[in-house]
Amino acid sequence: DGGITQSPKYLFRKEGQNVTLSCEQNLNHDAMYWYRQDPGQGLRLIYYSQIVNDFQKGDIAEGYSVSREKKESFPLTVTSAQKNPTAFYLCASSGWGAGATNEKLFFGSGTQLSVL
Amino acid sequence: GEDVEQSLFLSVREGDSSVINCTYTDSSSTYLYWYKQEPGAGLQLLTYIFSNMDMKQDQRLTVLLNKKDKHLSLRIADTQTGDSAIYFCALDTSGTYKYIFGTGTRLKVLA
Repeated sequence: DGGITQSPKYLFRKEGQNVTLSCEQNLNHDAMYWYRQDPGQGLRLIYYSQIVNDFQKGDIAEGYSVSREKKESFPLTVTSAQKNPTAFYLCASSGWGAGATNEKLFFGSGTQLSVL
Repeated sequence: GEDVEQSLFLSVREGDSSVINCTYTDSSSTYLYWYKQEPGAGLQLLTYIFSNMDMKQDQRLTVLLNKKDKHLSLRIADTQTGDSAIYFCALDTSGTYKYIFGTGTRLKVLA
């Protein structure tokens, strides 16, 4: 079945530690996204990538980094510079490409990151 | 920038209709979406509407779009306990690959 897989489901970070959240999709989508969700708030865009080897900062990129070496994969690293990392992180993809007019977002099941 | 607002909570009785509302500021979106999120899970696309339409019906779901007032609503007929979740409206942004999400409305269905 096609879809988006996020791992791990739960992740704990110690002070000063970098952690990486995995996101893999087999939908053959060009665009991938990382969102952060805090209780009672909407989704905030961290980074997005329209194509392999290219990505752009979203609204809250500080303290995060990404890479897009393969079309299927878009890992997110939460660095020690992110002082308030506890949140639910959602990865998504869409089929944006030449000629696309309505490309819906498909989401993974999320990773809950907590600070020890 | 784009601002998308939703009420935080809605409570209805099982069997009644639910209406979830969304207001937005930027009118350049091509498509507007409704997503559902169950506890601890990702978002699931429920339905969407093209910006040139004013209504779309999909089984128990009815989407109404008032472009003049920049108001989008989702009506769920015969609401069931399984409909309890958080509902997000979302807009694409013309000319970019980005989507803007509302704050989400938590729907609680009382048996």
